[in-house]
Amino acid sequence: GENVEQHPSTLSVQEGDSAVIKCTYSDSASNYFPWYKQELGKRPQLIIDIRSNVGEKKDQRIAVTLNKTAKHFSLHITETQPEDSAVYFCAASRNNDMRFGAGTRLTVKP
Amino acid sequence: NAGVTQTPKFQVLKTGQSMTLQCAQDMNHNSMYWYRQDPGMGLRLIYYSASEGTTDKGEVPNGYNVSRLNKREFSLRLESAAPSQTSVYFCASSEASLDEQYFGPGTRLTVT
Repeated sequence: GENVEQHPSTLSVQEGDSAVIKCTYSDSASNYFPWYKQELGKRPQLIIDIRSNVGEKKDQRIAVTLNKTAKHFSLHITETQPEDSAVYFCAASRNNDMRFGAGTRLTVKP
Repeated sequence: NAGVTQTPKFQVLKTGQSMTLQCAQDMNHNSMYWYRQDPGMGLRLIYYSASEGTTDKGEVPNGYNVSRLNKREFSLRLESAAPSQTSVYFCASSEASLDEQYFGPGTRLTVT
């Protein structure tokens, strides 16, 4: 089955800096790659997603890139703010079968 | 518009007891999912239902059963609870397979 690896597991940045989280996946048939943000004690919420026919997508301070040949995708957050502090999960899905990475705990220091 | 709702919010079971976790969505979504979340392991898919009348196994289906009761409701049953099933359980729904999944608030289950 699909295997998703996510790095780093923890990331600490200064407010205003950029943060990058990377994921790799194993199933070349995966065709949907969402990123979720989860605050402590809350449910995961989608922040951005990308489909396999697109290489890059941007939404304000957040961008995702996808390299299907290498089977990796990355989340980029620019101008980080303290409210960006949370756990971020990448995922890869083939049809409805979604597999998540183990998560990255991002801390943004004011 | 409540989105995805789950009951109960918290539950404590003894080993061997059974229970059913309930999930409902009011967004007219076709697909529904059950995940479990353990510390340091992210979310793992237990079962999903791509559309009303169908269910499929995910990554960790052993020890669980599901029922897609209708388009709105998708339940998860533990027939004989084990301590290894102590976890937070999330239900989710999406319009279709390549769409955003909306998560419920979660059920914190402890099996002693």
